[in-house]
Amino acid sequence: QKEVEQNSGPLSVPEGAIASLNCTYSDRVSQSFFWYRQYSGKSPELIMSIYSNGDKEDGRFTAQLNKASQYVSLLIRDSQPSDSATYLCAVTSYGNNRLAFGKGNQVVVIP
Amino acid sequence: SQTIHQWPATLVQPVGSPLSLECTVEGTSNPNLYWYRQAAGRGLQLLFYSVGIGQISSEVPQNLSASRPQDRQFILSSKKLLLSDSGFYLCAWRIHKNTEAFFGQGTRLTVV
Repeated sequence: QKEVEQNSGPLSVPEGAIASLNCTYSDRVSQSFFWYRQYSGKSPELIMSIYSNGDKEDGRFTAQLNKASQYVSLLIRDSQPSDSATYLCAVTSYGNNRLAFGKGNQVVVIP
Repeated sequence: SQTIHQWPATLVQPVGSPLSLECTVEGTSNPNLYWYRQAAGRGLQLLFYSVGIGQISSEVPQNLSASRPQDRQFILSSKKLLLSDSGFYLCAWRIHKNTEAFFGQGTRLTVV
């Protein structure tokens, strides 16, 4: 099993709809979880960080963490064309300083 | 405020040539530093990370090496580049192992 897995293929959503992205991780004692957005040719930029079970909302973005099931998700409400990008999930394991990323999910918002 | 500088932005190098990419962080002390590589259309592969001067953890055995000669300086090197070394190289820093990381602008390396 990959350390951080994002399995879904490209996601196309109409403008104004909700985009839903999922990420699973293998290390049960992982402690911190992050979502990054990466535009083509640019470096990743942080969207959300989440550390405890439950939901965390920031504007149109909601991160959800379920440590028992080892998954973290990201919801983008009222999707805008500017949300078209690749979204990367990142996880830090307990006891070390590694920050591992999933392969990312491309989101395309259709006007 | 903290800033991270990474250069050059683009680089074209012949096979077999050496490589040196530099990353520096300003406005913080004793950051955790990271080097990632992103191949075209792929995710971020962790190459090296460092928690302090002279302390380097290697993730992928290959012809790359990293050094941290100063607290806020992280260098990625190769003695002889391979075609497979082409990619987008990203440096990142964070203040603590559980905090968010921030990335430099990246270096797009093409080995020809």
